[in-house]
Amino acid sequence: EDKVVQSPLSLVVHEGDTVTLNCSYEVTNFRSLLWYKQEKKAPTFLFMLTSSGIEKKSGRLSSILDKKELFSILNITATQTGDSAIYLCAVESAGRTTSGTYKYIFGTGTRLKVLA
Amino acid sequence: NAGVTQTPKFQVLKTGQSMTLQCAQDMNHNSMYWYRQDPGMGLRLIYYSASEGTTDKGEVPNGYNVSRLNKREFSLRLESAAPSQTSVYFCASRDRIRAFFGQGTRLTVV
Repeated sequence: EDKVVQSPLSLVVHEGDTVTLNCSYEVTNFRSLLWYKQEKKAPTFLFMLTSSGIEKKSGRLSSILDKKELFSILNITATQTGDSAIYLCAVESAGRTTSGTYKYIFGTGTRLKVLA
Repeated sequence: NAGVTQTPKFQVLKTGQSMTLQCAQDMNHNSMYWYRQDPGMGLRLIYYSASEGTTDKGEVPNGYNVSRLNKREFSLRLESAAPSQTSVYFCASRDRIRAFFGQGTRLTVV
């Protein structure tokens, strides 16, 4: 059965700290790994990773994928209160069905709270 | 840019009632999805659709039906609501890279 596991489940830090969020997976026919940020409502896209060892960066956020060890990390440096959110990891499985589509399998998320 | 639009935003149902959650996207995407989100459970896939006229079951399809009416619209139906279906429901569509989510429907079944 396809599985995506995130750790820690929750985290409380102070502004300025650096955090590392983890995502490990076991899926058939891996296609890509995505990170989303969810504040009050809809998840918003952060990164998509397909290749091992290539870091994606956006401001204070960065992410990297290790396809051999089947995990990804999301780093946030110099955290701010606006980074408080649930961070979701999703793996796209290319295990096609008769309808020919791909599906995203999500982890349970890491709830990050940044204190001022 | 509307993106993915879900209706309604909130709904309270009595056990046994039926209802349909509506979802429409204006990005000309082929693939669409329905997820539910419960505390501590992340997003779980209910049904998905590769294109108009095709649907597939996800992880938790029991108690739900879907219709892909056309390329834009993908609806989720609860025929006989149960308290276990109390959840936040998200519709999504995807391009080559990512899924785009609607704002969610908070459903409470009493």
